[in-house]
Amino acid sequence: DAKTTQPNSMESNEEEPVHLPCNHSTISGTDYIHWYRQLPSQGPEYVIHGLTSNVNNRMASLAIAEDRKSSTLILHRATLRDAAVYYCILRSNSGGYQKVTFGTGTKLQVIP
Amino acid sequence: DTAVSQTPKYLVTQMGNDKSIKCEQNLGHDTMYWYKQDSKKFLKIMFSYNNKELIINETVPNRFSPKSPDKAHLNLHINSLELGDSAVYFCASSQDSPTGEQFFGPGTRLTVL
Repeated sequence: DAKTTQPNSMESNEEEPVHLPCNHSTISGTDYIHWYRQLPSQGPEYVIHGLTSNVNNRMASLAIAEDRKSSTLILHRATLRDAAVYYCILRSNSGGYQKVTFGTGTKLQVIP
Repeated sequence: DTAVSQTPKYLVTQMGNDKSIKCEQNLGHDTMYWYKQDSKKFLKIMFSYNNKELIINETVPNRFSPKSPDKAHLNLHINSLELGDSAVYFCASSQDSPTGEQFFGPGTRLTVL
């Protein structure tokens, strides 16, 4: 399985942009890059996903390196509600079924 | 309406007992999953079912037996519970696609004494 590597923790000031990096150097051509976050005492929730091109949605932006070996989740203005563990995940359709491998996650602390 | 629900939310039991956790999704999804999150917060997939058929079994001990009576339900039965089974178990569902967003349930905190 292709794996992801993320920093264990990051800090951001409230109202500032946050760039959360993820390395996935063994990514295959059929792997999609997904980001989820997990707020305290809750289940993970979907944030965004992409394949090759950068993606934007109401929650965040996803910047994918040209060689696809890394990606960055961008929160444009961090709020206290964004304090969570952010997981970078690769989702593959190899072998006719989906395999999901969660990374170690980055714990984001937002400072008021 | 809750999209993915799990019962119970908390489960405290003795070693050696057998217990079940139930999961239901009302999203019409084809695929359901069970994840285990241990005390170190690592989230690992255990099983995945597609249209009631097991498609992923990630080397989970055979004391764990998922059962899918229909597409909307994926229950997890655990025999002979061990201390190391203590964790938070999350159920999730998605469409059968690598782009399909996974919707997670609120989790079941299992404590084995």
